[in-house]
Amino acid sequence: GIQVEQSPPDLILQEGANSTLRCNFSDSVNNLQWFHQNPWGQLINLFYIPSGTKQNGRLSATTVATERYSLLYISSSQTTDSGVYFCAVEDDYKLSFGAGTTVTVRA
Amino acid sequence: GAGVSQTPSNKVTEKGKYVELRCDPISGHTALYWYRQSLGQGPEFLIYFQGTGAADDSGLPNDRFFAVRPEGSVSTLKIQRTERGDSAVYLCASSLGAGGYGETQYFGPGTRLLVL
Repeated sequence: GIQVEQSPPDLILQEGANSTLRCNFSDSVNNLQWFHQNPWGQLINLFYIPSGTKQNGRLSATTVATERYSLLYISSSQTTDSGVYFCAVEDDYKLSFGAGTTVTVRA
Repeated sequence: GAGVSQTPSNKVTEKGKYVELRCDPISGHTALYWYRQSLGQGPEFLIYFQGTGAADDSGLPNDRFFAVRPEGSVSTLKIQRTERGDSAVYLCASSLGAGGYGETQYFGPGTRLLVL
């Protein structure tokens, strides 16, 4: 199956700071999704982004499919951005997830 | 509209007991997936349904695990003779189309299973 690696594993930010999360994957994919798992465990869809760049408010994502990586940018971070961010790629219908990046935003 | 719902939200059982976990997908979604998430890890695939049939059950860990979707909507994940290692969050997801290429998966809130 496709291997998905996320970095860094942990990130501590001061409120207002910007950050970049990275996702590397081992094979070409037709679907890549970024999720935010909130403290209650709910996986919230952030982006469906197999290639290109998308923006949604303070979040944006870029996937370079030919080089097999994706980046998630958080700008002007807020305490509500805290949680675990997962990258997941499609591997024969199922999603293969990375281990996640745990983000803690301090006030 | 309503998202994916799962019941119960929490389940505590004793080793050796049988449990059923229910998933109600987004209305009109034909593809349904079950995943399992252990503490500190990303979700791992268990089984995928297209309509009523299990198109891929390669992620089920052993024959104690079984899932059905008899009418192509609600699905039930069944675990027989539960073991302590089955303790995890069981997540359900659905997608609009046939699954696979280009389909966004939407996740439910999960069922937290604890086997004592």
